[in-house]
Amino acid sequence: AQKVTQAQTEISVVEKEDVTLDCVYETRDTTYYLFWYKQPPSGELVFLIRRNSFDEQNEISGRYSWNFQKSTSSFNFTITASQVVDSAVYFCALTPWNTGGFKTIFGAGTRLFVKA
Amino acid sequence: DGGITQSPKYLFRKEGQNVTLSCEQNLNHDAMYWYRQDPGQGLRLIYYSQIVNDFQKGDIAEGYSVSREKKESFPLTVTSAQKNPTAFYLCASGGAVRGGETQYFGPGTRLLVL
Repeated sequence: AQKVTQAQTEISVVEKEDVTLDCVYETRDTTYYLFWYKQPPSGELVFLIRRNSFDEQNEISGRYSWNFQKSTSSFNFTITASQVVDSAVYFCALTPWNTGGFKTIFGAGTRLFVKA
Repeated sequence: DGGITQSPKYLFRKEGQNVTLSCEQNLNHDAMYWYRQDPGQGLRLIYYSQIVNDFQKGDIAEGYSVSREKKESFPLTVTSAQKNPTAFYLCASGGAVRGGETQYFGPGTRLLVL
């Protein structure tokens, strides 16, 4: 089965706190792609990062960082020194290669509230 | 500016009516997608198209139809057979025919049933 689990439905933090959003995935494919998207209140999904299954290097982009661990099938996302503008729903997604790489499975999302 | 446009932003459907949601992209992407999002849930794939004049069913295609006559356009028709159409519909496009590419999303259309 192909599945993405975001166990945290909602998280609330105070500005400047660090926060980690968890993502656990299931797939039997050895080749797959993982993504994180941000959905602000406007509704449009904004792409944040893409990772392929052969690249386990962690990545940092400004206040954002991602930790990919194949051993635990996790692709967690950390926001350092959170800001009110980070308030949004965040989706983790998986694109397995066995369906040709076109069927993406999304998690249910984690709603992040950052309070001033 | 390059991007994806969806229209209308809000759409109201009467019982038994077919409605069409527009999606246009000028990113020169080969692949295009339609997703449905229900409140508090993730996105579910309705249809996708890897290339012009070709499209494939996603996980929840029943009650929907699409066409892909031009590279830039991928309209979605919500037919009267779709019994619960109220949702937020998102269109996306992706760069390469080979798949696994990043999908870029439009602003969405919110469909409501009168």
